[in-house]
Amino acid sequence: EDKVVQSPLSLVVHEGDTVTLNCSYEVTNFRSLLWYKQEKKAPTFLFMLTSSGIEKKSGRLSSILDKKELFSILNITATQTGDSAIYLCAVRSAGNNRKLIWGLGTSLAVNP
Amino acid sequence: DGGITQSPKYLFRKEGQNVTLSCEQNLNHDAMYWYRQDPGQGLRLIYYSQIVNDFQKGDIAEGYSVSREKKESFPLTVTSAQKNPTAFYLCASSNRVGIYNEQFFGPGTRLTVL
Repeated sequence: EDKVVQSPLSLVVHEGDTVTLNCSYEVTNFRSLLWYKQEKKAPTFLFMLTSSGIEKKSGRLSSILDKKELFSILNITATQTGDSAIYLCAVRSAGNNRKLIWGLGTSLAVNP
Repeated sequence: DGGITQSPKYLFRKEGQNVTLSCEQNLNHDAMYWYRQDPGQGLRLIYYSQIVNDFQKGDIAEGYSVSREKKESFPLTVTSAQKNPTAFYLCASSNRVGIYNEQFFGPGTRLTVL
């Protein structure tokens, strides 16, 4: 059965810290891995990683994909209180009618 | 402004009542999805639609129904058969059910059964 596991489930840090969030997966015929940030409401898209794009960066956020070891990390440097959110990881395989398989998320709290 | 709208934001219903949640998008996306989110459970797929007049069950379709009569609209009905309907419901859309298309989410509807 396809699955996506995120760790840790929750994390509390101070402003300025660097955090690393993990997403490991077991899916058949992997095609892409997506990261989303969810504050109070709708998840907002951060990154998509594929076989042809295994590293992405946007400002203080960056993500890499290790297809051999079947995981991805989301790195946030110099954290700010506005980074407090749930970070969701999802994986799409070629099978399973191309639906996204979601992890449970990591809840990040950044304290001032 | 392009985007996905959901209404209402908050919804209260009594046990035994059916209720319909609205989802509209003006992104010209072919595919639309309904998810349910509970604390500690992540996102679970209820129904999805790849094209007008066609939809498929997701992982937890029991007690729910949908229609897709227009490309822009994908309403979800929570029926009285749904045993535990209190949850946060998220609608999403994507350009098509492809392998390189991200999903865009609406703001969600929080349903509470009294």
